[in-house]
Amino acid sequence: EAQVTQNPRYLITVTGKKLTVTCSQNMNHEYMSWYRQDPGLGLRQIYYSMNVEVTDKGDVPEGYKVSRKEKRNFPLILESPSPNQTSLYFCASSLPGSAYEQYFGPGTRLTVT
Amino acid sequence: AQTVTQSQPEMSVQEAETVTLSCTYDTSESDYYLFWYKQPPSRQMILVIRQEAYKQQNATENRFSVNFQKAAKSFSLKISDSQLGDAAMYFCAYRYLATSGTYKYIFGTGTRLKVLA
Repeated sequence: EAQVTQNPRYLITVTGKKLTVTCSQNMNHEYMSWYRQDPGLGLRQIYYSMNVEVTDKGDVPEGYKVSRKEKRNFPLILESPSPNQTSLYFCASSLPGSAYEQYFGPGTRLTVT
Repeated sequence: AQTVTQSQPEMSVQEAETVTLSCTYDTSESDYYLFWYKQPPSRQMILVIRQEAYKQQNATENRFSVNFQKAAKSFSLKISDSQLGDAAMYFCAYRYLATSGTYKYIFGTGTRLKVLA
């Protein structure tokens, strides 16, 4: 089944404790992206990647890191999480052409205390 | 700056009736795509419909259709014969080709649709 998977689905952590949210897709998509969703703000793009070793900042990259060492994986790293990073996070992927839609993962609910 | 505005935080519709969700955007680009996504309580993001800016014909997918007014930068979603399963948060999104050569997405703040039995 074609899908985007994220792990963990739920995470409660404390301020300053490094964490990684994994994202993997099995559709051989070049384009991958991370979003955060907050009430009243919609989805905002954090980082995106057009291909292996090619990443770029979205609108809200502060406090986040990403890496794209393999085509299928695009982990989101929070080196020192803070409470304002409490949010719902989505990973998405697509083929690179303009006509292609994004496929979204199921979301990761992160709470930083 | 590219922006997407959904001015209706919440809408209600009676089952079997028609409802229209509004979306406006601001851009200086000529080539872009517009999308409507549905997010049910499961939180999964589901593509409802898409529209390419160069196509004048409004997109239609079964009970879902759009009214795309390029000059007015308006992209509303019409849901006909509303069903209980249509209850969800709906997001309007805009995609454009950034100067870096990659695609960027801008989402609106969402409209929560309630369907009344």
